Amino acid sequence: GAVVSQHPSWVICKSGTSVKIECRSLDFQATTMFWYRQFPKQSLMLMATSNEGSKATYEQGVEKDKFLINHASLTLSTLTVTSAHPEDSSFYICSALAGQETQYFGPGTRLLVL
Amino acid sequence: AQTVTQSQPEMSVQEAETVTLSCTYDTSESNYYLFWYKQPPSRQMILVIRQEAYKQQNATENRFSVNFQKAAKSFSLKISDSQLGDTAMYFCAFMNTRNTDKLIFGTGTRLQVFP
Repeated sequence: GAVVSQHPSWVICKSGTSVKIECRSLDFQATTMFWYRQFPKQSLMLMATSNEGSKATYEQGVEKDKFLINHASLTLSTLTVTSAHPEDSSFYICSALAGQETQYFGPGTRLLVL
Repeated sequence: AQTVTQSQPEMSVQEAETVTLSCTYDTSESNYYLFWYKQPPSRQMILVIRQEAYKQQNATENRFSVNFQKAAKSFSLKISDSQLGDTAMYFCAFMNTRNTDKLIFGTGTRLQVFP
């Protein structure tokens, strides 16, 4: 149980385009999901907390107009990187909160912006 | 503010041996959760073990066990009978029960298991 999927697993796009990443909890409902960014050989950096039916809460320094988050259902949250630039290239990971305390993670999405 | 410290950037162990990864944290809270996550080369984050601070008994999951010392704010992970598949990055993480929307991660320990 507690499986989280992420799609796509990797994406290459041109600078200036937008990219949408989906995060799904497959066998449980998650009112709260999280989006992280991970740079090579570093720990996870929380970008935002996504709550079903309400606006996402962004961490300090994360541009909410750049990284649009939608959590329209109890099993799906999406992250859209708008007008992507090469500096947005990274590994993006989502997680979903099962119960009250345990986060289960998706497999991640590698984004490369050319 | 809570912080999590993993003082061992890299560790190595021979297959079938035992290895202990250290983690310390700083908090003024009395109720919280502690986690160890594993990130193998695939980069999938996998929950290894979870400990609730109000439980004195150390959590155990098969070959993985923790040594939770609340007074010392220490939460080490012991891997027994190490296997090649244990090669991964290991992250210690803290969650405050009053603020369960954030996991505070340590910087990670890279574990290499040698045959």
